[in-house]
Amino acid sequence: QVQLQESGPGLVKPSQTLSLTCTVSGGSISSGSYYWSWIRQPAGKGLEWIGRIYTSGSTNYNPSLKSRVTISVDTSKNQFSLKLSSVTAADTAVYYCARDVQKKGSSSWYYWFDPWGQGTLVTVSS
Amino acid sequence: SYVLTQPPSVSVAPGQTARITCGGNNIGSKSVHWYQQKPGQAPVLVVYDDSDRPSGIPERFSGSNSGNTATLTISRVEAGDEADYYCQVWDSSSDRVVFGGGTKLTVL
Repeated sequence: QVQLQESGPGLVKPSQTLSLTCTVSGGSISSGSYYWSWIRQPAGKGLEWIGRIYTSGSTNYNPSLKSRVTISVDTSKNQFSLKLSSVTAADTAVYYCARDVQKKGSSSWYYWFDPWGQGTLVTVSS
Repeated sequence: SYVLTQPPSVSVAPGQTARITCGGNNIGSKSVHWYQQKPGQAPVLVVYDDSDRPSGIPERFSGSNSGNTATLTISRVEAGDEADYYCQVWDSSSDRVVFGGGTKLTVL
């Protein structure tokens, strides 16, 4: 059973870069046809998709964050990572990593998230 | 950009049926997925591809999708079902994931 675990600093200063890593256990990050995503949730608010990566290195990003986001993968470590630059207090949130499960539909691919990591709180403050 | 609209809250008595809607332009042409999130926990997939249930999810959870509305139905609601529920789709026109704003289910 695949499990995901986020790790990284819980406190980041404004204007700096937020860096998080998601470690995948219970299976190889390269096996199967999966994308791997980052999602965040400010306190008391809804879910916001940040972006995703395929093990080939192909990425998709949320247009609202695209200019500040980089997602990378290290298959040798069974990990993928998130970098978010020029952070502000608005980037304070619980950050989740998740596996994208995909299915071919009649006109496009469909994707959903299962499983998720437990989440890690990142606070942006001086 | 594609928008999903959920009611902020739904209340239901134990043993009754809860219906949580997710509205979107021609959402019936998309595949809709639902997540349950309890306080302090990560979201959990409860319905995928409109109406399929992952293993371990009770049959009380079901989904439907047609026209401009997708619906998550929870039958014989229990106190343990109290949580936030989110719908989600993949918007192929912009290659991005879209979440609904979430619905808080209260069990009276």
